Amino acid sequence: DAKTTQPNSMESNEEEPVHLPCNHSTISGTDYIHWYRQLPSQGPEYVIHGLTSNVNNRMASLAIAEDRKSSTLILHRATLRDAAVYYCILREPHTGTASKLTFGTGTRLQVTL
Amino acid sequence: DAGITQSPRHKVTETGTPVTLRCHQTENHRYMYWYRQDPGHGLRLIHYSYGVKDTDKGEVSDGYSVSRSKTEDFLLTLESATSSQTSVYFCAIGTSLAKAGELFFGEGSRLTVL
Repeated sequence: DAKTTQPNSMESNEEEPVHLPCNHSTISGTDYIHWYRQLPSQGPEYVIHGLTSNVNNRMASLAIAEDRKSSTLILHRATLRDAAVYYCILREPHTGTASKLTFGTGTRLQVTL
Repeated sequence: DAGITQSPRHKVTETGTPVTLRCHQTENHRYMYWYRQDPGHGLRLIHYSYGVKDTDKGEVSDGYSVSRSKTEDFLLTLESATSSQTSVYFCAIGTSLAKAGELFFGEGSRLTVL
């Protein structure tokens, strides 16, 4: 699996937007970009994913660079409940045999009042 | 929320004893996974399954075995637990192909090997 690079930690004030970067310079043309987050004492939860175009859902937006070598997860208005570790993961599409995600150490987001 | 439960949620055992962790799903999903999480390592894949009786190794499979005799259950066994296997174990299930691999995770099972 291709590797991703994320900052170890970031801080944000509540109600402000947060941009979480991810570098994936070895991404292949068919790799999807996935984001998961893990709240304290919980299992990871899916946030968003994309392939080439920017994506929006109720939780966040995903901005993908034109060359796909980097992406940014955008939380439009951070709340205290968004404090978590955010994982950027690359995944090959299903091949019919197995599908797996390889997690790195992620970015720990701290949100303060 | 995806119907996925792990048991036991907490277990303390002694070195050399066998341990089995169970992952049960009610979603009828094809793919199931076992991860472990340790400080400084993020989540690491132990084993995964892509169907009944179809399993394969992940990146940290030594000392672990798995079985999947039914779609809904994926068992992780430590034949002889060691202190290095003290960890939090997460089970995950895979959704349809159309969602390009979105996973749902259980709440985790904290295992302490003394």
